[in-house]
Amino acid sequence: RKEVEQDPGPFNVPEGATVAFNCTYSNSASQSFFWYRQDCRKEPKLLMSVYSSGNEDGRFTAQLNRASQYISLLIRDSKLSDSATYLCVVNSETNAGKSTFGDGTTLTVKP
Amino acid sequence: NAGVTQTPKFQVLKTGQSMTLQCAQDMNHNSMYWYRQDPGMGLRLIYYSASEGTTDKGEVPNGYNVSRLNKREFSLRLESAAPSQTSVYFCASSIGLAGPTQYFGPGTRLLVL
Repeated sequence: RKEVEQDPGPFNVPEGATVAFNCTYSNSASQSFFWYRQDCRKEPKLLMSVYSSGNEDGRFTAQLNRASQYISLLIRDSKLSDSATYLCVVNSETNAGKSTFGDGTTLTVKP
Repeated sequence: NAGVTQTPKFQVLKTGQSMTLQCAQDMNHNSMYWYRQDPGMGLRLIYYSASEGTTDKGEVPNGYNVSRLNKREFSLRLESAAPSQTSVYFCASSIGLAGPTQYFGPGTRLLVL
């Protein structure tokens, strides 16, 4: 079983739709959680950190459920520019604090 | 402020050739990383350097060597390239080993024939 698992998709949604991605992690000692965005043939960039209480940044909402060991990303009012691959990232003390990346979920927003 | 830079952007090698991928960061970060990304897959850690003077193996180190030349520079060397090393290579840096944020270079696309 992979340490960090994501539904690869692809998710194809119309503009204005709400879409949610989930990510599960297997290491219960995981400490910090992030969502990165990767555009086609580009480098990953941090989208947002995920806090225990949940956090929101504009149209994006991230949630963490430690009991069930998953994190989620909700995108409201999807824009064409949201089309990208979204990577779930987990840092664990037992992995010397290093990041483990999921394989990513691909989102395509269509007009 | 250039962030993380990588050279070259593209490279074609023949099996058995060697090459060094260069990476530099200007953010005064302590930790640096080399990842590879194969089509449709996530990032896999090859080697990392928690701080200047230290390097450690990641998930897929076989066939690679690294050098942390100074705080700014972290190079990745392929001694004898194989077709299985065809990939996109990303260098990244962070303030410390636990991040929290990693900043990535633009990547090097390597094709081994």
